[in-house]
Amino acid sequence: SQQGEEDPQALSIQEGENATMNCSYKTSINNLQWYRQNSGRGLVHLILIRSNEREKHSGRLRVTLDTSKKSSSLLITASRAADTASYFCATVLNQAGTALIFGKGTTLSVSS
Amino acid sequence: GAVVSQHPSRVICKSGTSVKIECRSLDFQATTMFWYRQFPKQSLMLMATSNEGSKATYEQGVEKDKFLINHASLTLSTLTVTSAHPEDSSFYICSAREWGEPNQPQHFGDGTRLSIL
Repeated sequence: SQQGEEDPQALSIQEGENATMNCSYKTSINNLQWYRQNSGRGLVHLILIRSNEREKHSGRLRVTLDTSKKSSSLLITASRAADTASYFCATVLNQAGTALIFGKGTTLSVSS
Repeated sequence: GAVVSQHPSRVICKSGTSVKIECRSLDFQATTMFWYRQFPKQSLMLMATSNEGSKATYEQGVEKDKFLINHASLTLSTLTVTSAHPEDSSFYICSAREWGEPNQPQHFGDGTRLSIL
């Protein structure tokens, strides 16, 4: 069953603008991960944030985690047309410990 | 970085055919691999967890006799869709995690698009 809910479901922006995607989840987690999927392809891992971390950066990506609100956000700064893709958050549950449970995803379109 | 190879990338076949999909970890050992299914414009749904040398663990609602999983080595897991029907048409994706703690990212194959006529 799905754990997370992404918000918004779709986002359209211009190149150079920032894109923010949010993810909420329901149960206690070990860590939360963000993945990117280009149309018809597999998933590419972007960033992992552990349950005891609050913020993490990787290049133009910034991820926050609020375990009290059971939510996370992914910020892509200075977006490019090549950032056009679907973005998913996924959680690793404390109990299960291994399988990723995916949210519904946000489809990002960046126009030049 | 770690690479997962999934083959074939696309299959088109007649109803009643059994289809085998392979998932290989190319440069690391994966004691656990995962199989997901994705419908158009939807998220990935975990089908089963494949453990090397033991039976796979299937998620609720996934027929184990329909979706046969074999994980015979530390680098290969296979998913066989038996007697496939049009409703089995979907995008199937495997992933693998390097041995260790859960705080490691999973590495995904490029997926297999299965179309049953």
